[in-house]
Amino acid sequence: KQEVTQIPAALSVPEGENLVLNCSFTDSAIYNLQWFRQDPGKGLTSLLLIQSSQREQTSGRLNASLDKSSGRSTLYIAASQPGDSATYLCALDYSSASKIIFGSGTRLSIRP
Amino acid sequence: DTGVSQNPRHKITKRGQNVTFRCDPISEHNRLYWYRQTLGQGPEFLTYFQNEAQLEKSRLLSDRFSAERPKGSFSTLEIQRTEQGDSAMYLCASSSSFIREKLFFGSGTQLSVL
Repeated sequence: KQEVTQIPAALSVPEGENLVLNCSFTDSAIYNLQWFRQDPGKGLTSLLLIQSSQREQTSGRLNASLDKSSGRSTLYIAASQPGDSATYLCALDYSSASKIIFGSGTRLSIRP
Repeated sequence: DTGVSQNPRHKITKRGQNVTFRCDPISEHNRLYWYRQTLGQGPEFLTYFQNEAQLEKSRLLSDRFSAERPKGSFSTLEIQRTEQGDSAMYLCASSSSFIREKLFFGSGTQLSVL
């Protein structure tokens, strides 16, 4: 069974800190992995996409890594800001399936 | 790129009524997905279309749920005889199959069944 786990479920840190969000998965036969941001009551916005053959992707203060051998991905946020407060979800696109499977997300709160 | 559009944004209905939601994907995207999301959870896959063909349905999708994508353009998701457990955010997403790239999501339809 293909499962995606995100721990912790919630995280609160003071502004300016660097932080890491974790995503683990049981089946490593992935095509790609995406990290999304979701604001309350809104849809999801794709932040970074890592192809299966890649190890990491960077966009601004965000860096996502992928380690298929250990079934893990991390999202690193540098110099966090209150505007980064949101729920962050990882999602896996599997080669053998049409569906994309999501984790339950980490709710991030940045304290001013 | 006008984005993925979903209508209505909110729907309140009484138990037992039928409801229909609409999704207009990004025009050049041939892959379309429906997801359901409840509070504090990640989106759960419901169904997937490539062009007009419905290629996969989740076991979550009971026979009260049906989805269509006529002519491979917009899609509708209908729920018949709604139950309180159907209350959730229904999300639509689209992407291009020519390169399996980012999913683009709509803002969702929030369904409340009273």
